[in-house]
Amino acid sequence: DTAVSQTPKYLVTQMGNDKSIKCEQNLGHDTMYWYKQDSKKFLKIMFSYNNKELIINETVPNRFSPKSPDKAHLNLHINSLELGDSAVYFCASSALTANSGANVLTFGAGSRLTVL
Amino acid sequence: AQSVAQPEDQVNVAEGNPLTVKCTYSVSGNPYLFWYVQYPNRGLQFLLKYITGDNLVKGSYGFEAEFNKSQTSFHLKKPSALVSDSALYFCAVRDKANAGKSTFGDGTTLTVKP
Repeated sequence: DTAVSQTPKYLVTQMGNDKSIKCEQNLGHDTMYWYKQDSKKFLKIMFSYNNKELIINETVPNRFSPKSPDKAHLNLHINSLELGDSAVYFCASSALTANSGANVLTFGAGSRLTVL
Repeated sequence: AQSVAQPEDQVNVAEGNPLTVKCTYSVSGNPYLFWYVQYPNRGLQFLLKYITGDNLVKGSYGFEAEFNKSQTSFHLKKPSALVSDSALYFCAVRDKANAGKSTFGDGTTLTVKP
């Protein structure tokens, strides 16, 4: 039973299209994240939600819009896709406790987006 | 602002030899430090973390890491490398004031040759 699952695993689309990536976790965690891994394998945080509330919003173009319908789901919608959006997008989750900084991130397997 | 540096893009070792993957960090308060491993076409997996206490932390698959406050380092080590350890390794840091955000290093590719 996959702890953090992302769909789709692969996504190939044309520039200018709008696409979504979905993420679900069954760990009972309160906090979910989106990370972007570029072609050089660098990993950068994009967004974080805690119990459906946005708590981290890095400098990301507003074409990217996260949505969290409940604490087990965090979806990423991307409008007007550009070539530079091609990357692997990872969803992750962690528990919220009194010492939340110490909590481990559990990652999904990634969604590889290719924009042509 | 918190940051992490992994000074080596690539580390090559022979199977059976000890390995070290380097990491240095910068945070304003006490750090929470993590190592994650990424195998090809997979998500990151947790290896070990330092929160407080003993400076030597033991983790999964025989890996360990040593926290050195004076050198602001958290190097990953293993006494005897396996070919199956070949992967991309990420160091990450959080500080208590910024508990929701992990900052990752640029990653180090470890190659273990038979």
